[in-house]
Amino acid sequence: EAGVAQSPRYKIIEKRQSVAFWCNPISGHATLYWYQQILGQGPKLLIQFQNNGVVDDSQLPKDRFSAERLKGVDSTLKIQPAKLEDSAVYLCASSLDVVAGAYEQYFGPGTRLTVT
Amino acid sequence: QQPVQSPQAVILREGEDAVINCSSSKALYSVHWYRQKHGEAPVFLMILLKGGEQKGHEKISASFNEKKQQSSLYLTASQLSYSGTYFCGTDTGGGNKLTFGTGTQLKVEL
Repeated sequence: EAGVAQSPRYKIIEKRQSVAFWCNPISGHATLYWYQQILGQGPKLLIQFQNNGVVDDSQLPKDRFSAERLKGVDSTLKIQPAKLEDSAVYLCASSLDVVAGAYEQYFGPGTRLTVT
Repeated sequence: QQPVQSPQAVILREGEDAVINCSSSKALYSVHWYRQKHGEAPVFLMILLKGGEQKGHEKISASFNEKKQQSSLYLTASQLSYSGTYFCGTDTGGGNKLTFGTGTQLKVEL
């Protein structure tokens, strides 16, 4: 079974530029998460989707971050404009179906973003 | 609020045992444990649910004290491959929304 796919793996941009990350969850997984992991810290949940609906985005800085999961499969996370403090690894994870009690989260390899 | 993990770091010789603790200030629906090696994604180890259900790898054991809002991960007969940073993630509101702790760095040496 293929794991969670993410691209790109690395991205370097200047502050005030925009960037987008892509995630394809494990096939059949209904729940998708985006996390931000700053060096030396644990992952921080940004947004959680159930199929194509947003379950929680309380920690997403909505003035600059946006995310969508239009067809309930893959998802994109966008930052516009980027700030220096956005430098981090952005992790995508998926669960089979939280509503059905399948809670285990499986993480992708992440996108390492450097903002200069 | 972020769960507190202890110890922050531990060094073991191969074959030794270790316990990693995770403590929350809020009541817990579930606790999840992950291991992350440098530059890699976190890997699922164990989930402990309110009410006693557990799911995870056969060689990993953990406990969940709902009353004390604490969980512990037990690593026995450690191997070199156990090295990495261990994170607990806590769900305090239901819906599988996790808040991760600051991590415990584990290093296993020969």
